[in-house]
Amino acid sequence: AQKVTQAQTEISVVEKEDVTLDCVYETRDTTYYLFWYKQPPSGELVFLIRRNSFDEQNEISGRYSWNFQKSTSSFNFTITASQVVDSAVYFCALSEADQAGTALIFGKGTTLSVSS
Amino acid sequence: DSGVTQTPKHLITATGQRVTLRCSPRSGDLSVYWYQQSLDQGLQFLIQYYNGEERAKGNILERFSAQQFPDLHSELNLSSLELGDSALYFCASSVVLGAPAYEQYFGPGTRLTVT
Repeated sequence: AQKVTQAQTEISVVEKEDVTLDCVYETRDTTYYLFWYKQPPSGELVFLIRRNSFDEQNEISGRYSWNFQKSTSSFNFTITASQVVDSAVYFCALSEADQAGTALIFGKGTTLSVSS
Repeated sequence: DSGVTQTPKHLITATGQRVTLRCSPRSGDLSVYWYQQSLDQGLQFLIQYYNGEERAKGNILERFSAQQFPDLHSELNLSSLELGDSALYFCASSVVLGAPAYEQYFGPGTRLTVT
């Protein structure tokens, strides 16, 4: 069965600190996709990144970076120089590979609070 | 703006009632998904439709049903409502014909409160 674990329930940091959100996943599929979504206080779910299981290259987008390691089944998310606007709940998710798309299996989420 | 629209934004109703939530996917997206977000259960997949047909079911109660219409919009029907059905219901869409896109784009959600 597929499963996503985000062990950190809440993290509090001060502005400009770097912060890493952990995500560990379980799947028997050889081809799968990993995602990160952000849910700000307003409630919507914002797509951040998708990673294919066959591409372990790390990715950087501005202050955001993602570290994908198949050997440890982890897909961690780092925010560099955090800002107050980064305060949100962050969800890691997993899906199978299917042309028609498949359901996302979400972790419980990590609530990030950034104070000024 | 994800391009996915959901109505209504808020819904307050009484136990035992029936409600319908509506979702319009992004232009061209063939798959529509419904998710429920509650404090105790987190984000849970309910059901998926692909091009008008039911494709996958998750933890959807028998009191709940959904459909996808020829214009690809979808409706989620919740009946015999209970207090525990109070939650944020999200619709998401993905997959453009001929160019699979596995990321799902979420609507703003419908917050259902059952009193």
